[in-house]
Amino acid sequence: NAGVTQTPKFRVLKTGQSMTLLCAQDMNHEYMYWYRQDPGMGLRLIHYSVGEGTTAKGEVPDGYNVSRLKKQNFLLGLESAAPSQTSVYFCASGGAHSYEQYFGPGTRLTVT
Amino acid sequence: AQSVTQPDIHITVSEGASLELRCNYSYGATPYLFWYVQSPGQGLQLLLKYFSGDTLVQGIKGFEAEFKRSQSSFNLRKPSVHWSDAAEYFCAVGGHQEYGNKLVFGAGTILRVKS
Repeated sequence: NAGVTQTPKFRVLKTGQSMTLLCAQDMNHEYMYWYRQDPGMGLRLIHYSVGEGTTAKGEVPDGYNVSRLKKQNFLLGLESAAPSQTSVYFCASGGAHSYEQYFGPGTRLTVT
Repeated sequence: AQSVTQPDIHITVSEGASLELRCNYSYGATPYLFWYVQSPGQGLQLLLKYFSGDTLVQGIKGFEAEFKRSQSSFNLRKPSVHWSDAAEYFCAVGGHQEYGNKLVFGAGTILRVKS
């Protein structure tokens, strides 16, 4: 039982490049989330999903897109990376009736 | 609007001393409250949660928190801190299903433990 896993762990991009972060969970959770963590700002919600094929915007969605084609996977895409997107990205999942969220280990992204 | 305030950015305590980390929240409905801990380079781990009932909740690693509705607070406490408790601690509010169980996090408090 791996819980929540994230791929890759580290990535360096040049401005304007694109990439996709993959999150996978094996707990059969209905809900999944993408956050970014910046110093002194806690975690801010980018996008979330309440089920396969559904996504919704969070607090800071601009510049990101997501897809949830399978229940266990939640992808975060950056179409044209900007230095302001340098951050640590966390994925989380949770059950519809359990309210708490389980976090992956994070992806450290640097955009130069 | 939902918000969480953690007034202390950094706290330093001596090993063996008691600890209290402050958390104040603003939420339109009955809040669900959480404390998470993040060790350096790691993800977040749930310490404890409050949904309803007894306002003093026990968590893992010897931590407890008390919900005080009149003060909109959910402070985290530990009677005797260990060096391994050095980490960043996040308070969060939310989790209601009608809002996708979304959580709003505070900015975090970094705990340093001196020997």
